Amino acid sequence: NAGVTQTPKFRILKIGQSMTLQCTQDMNHNYMYWYRQDPGMGLKLIYYSVGAGITDKGEVPNGYNVSRSTTEDFPLRLELAAPSQTSVYFCASSYRGAGAGNQPQHFGDGTRLSIL
Amino acid sequence: EDQVTQSPEALRLQEGESSSLNCSYTVSGLRGLFWYRQDPGKGPEFLFTLYSAGEEKEKERLKATLTKKESFLHITAPKPEDSATYLCAVQAGNYGQNFVFGPGTRLSVLP
Repeated sequence: NAGVTQTPKFRILKIGQSMTLQCTQDMNHNYMYWYRQDPGMGLKLIYYSVGAGITDKGEVPNGYNVSRSTTEDFPLRLELAAPSQTSVYFCASSYRGAGAGNQPQHFGDGTRLSIL
Repeated sequence: EDQVTQSPEALRLQEGESSSLNCSYTVSGLRGLFWYRQDPGKGPEFLFTLYSAGEEKEKERLKATLTKKESFLHITAPKPEDSATYLCAVQAGNYGQNFVFGPGTRLSVLP
C-alpha cells in the first residue's frame, strides 16, 4: 500500500519558471491537502479539496493553483516561481474532513523545491 | 486568530530520561488536536487525536493529554529511536479544513 506519493522529491527552478508538483493517493480518500513547511514554522495550508472537481483556498494560496479531476490525483501548479516559494511541499489526504470524526491526515514524503 | 505554539523548541534527553512536550493553543471551537511525529526527510506520521479536555491517549512510550488550553506529550523511558520532531496541530470550528500546525519540538534521545 503506497499511501500518498509525491513527485519529484527534489527540484531546482529559476525565477519565473513554472512547474507542477504531483500528488497521488491510493487510499480512496475524499479529502486532499497541500501544505508548505518552512524552517521554524508550522505547516501552512495552501489549497485543499473535498472531492473530485471541488477545490478551495487555504491560508497561503497566492502564487499557486490546483485541480482535482480524479479522486486519486491532486497536482499543485506554480506558474511564475519566486524565491519566496522555496520550501518543502507536503501533500496529505484523509478519508473525511472536519465535522466527521476528525480523521487524521496521511502525508507524503514531500517535494523539496528551491527557486534561484 | 487561531494559534498553536510548542515548547521547548528542542529537547535533548538521555535514554530512559522521561520528559514532556507542550502544545499550547488558542482557537475558536476546538474540533480536534492531533500529534504527529516527523523524521528527517519524511512527511508527518499520525500519532494521536484528542477531542476534549481530560482525554488521554497512549501508544507504547508516548502518552498524550489535553486540557482546555494545552496538550502534553509525555515520553516515558525514551529510546534513541524516539528521536524525531513532534508536531501538534489543531482543527478549529471556524471554517473549512484548516488545520493549524505548531512549529514542532525537535527531540534527541542519546544512548
